[in-house]
Amino acid sequence: GEDVEQSLFLSVREGDSSVINCTYTDSSSTYLYWYKQEPGAGLQLLTYIFSNMDMKQDQRLTVLLNKKDKHLSLRIADTQTGDSAIYFCAESSGGYNKLIFGAGTRLAVHP
Amino acid sequence: DSGVTQTPKHLITATGQRVTLRCSPRSGDLSVYWYQQSLDQGLQFLIQYYNGEERAKGNILERFSAQQFPDLHSELNLSSLELGDSALYFCASSVSGTGSEAFFGQGTRLTVV
Repeated sequence: GEDVEQSLFLSVREGDSSVINCTYTDSSSTYLYWYKQEPGAGLQLLTYIFSNMDMKQDQRLTVLLNKKDKHLSLRIADTQTGDSAIYFCAESSGGYNKLIFGAGTRLAVHP
Repeated sequence: DSGVTQTPKHLITATGQRVTLRCSPRSGDLSVYWYQQSLDQGLQFLIQYYNGEERAKGNILERFSAQQFPDLHSELNLSSLELGDSALYFCASSVSGTGSEAFFGQGTRLTVV
């Protein structure tokens, strides 16, 4: 079935890089997404990658996709305190953009 | 600001009651999605509409229903509310019904007491 898994917590020092990992099961997913949720706020689309791509870079964000292992990662360079949030990995399913979300990774950035 | 508007932001109601959550999609978006976020279930897809028609259904209870109107706004109706229905309900919209990014509203926090 459809399932997306993420580690629940990541702590990094300000200025370091953060790497958030995700695995998914639906090999037919055409898009994979990263969303950010700050406390008390909605979901903010950070970036997405087509399943026929291996990598996508957008300013401080780098997404890597390993289709063989069904593994997705989000790297945040020069992590700042403002990056502290919950990051959700999601896959599109069934061709209708129905999103299956992971449980979210809480990123804590400390000085 | 994603351009997706949800009202109300907060709602407190008693068990057994019925509520309606409203969503206005981004201008030009034809597809609307509803999601429920709770502590125990995480983010769950409920239902999708595209240009007024139901397109996909997820883990939506029979007590819940939704519709999308000709002006493309959508409403999620929750009836016979239970304590366990307390959650954050998100609406999202996208241009098409397939393969395009979805933008989320700020959510409606429902508390059932």
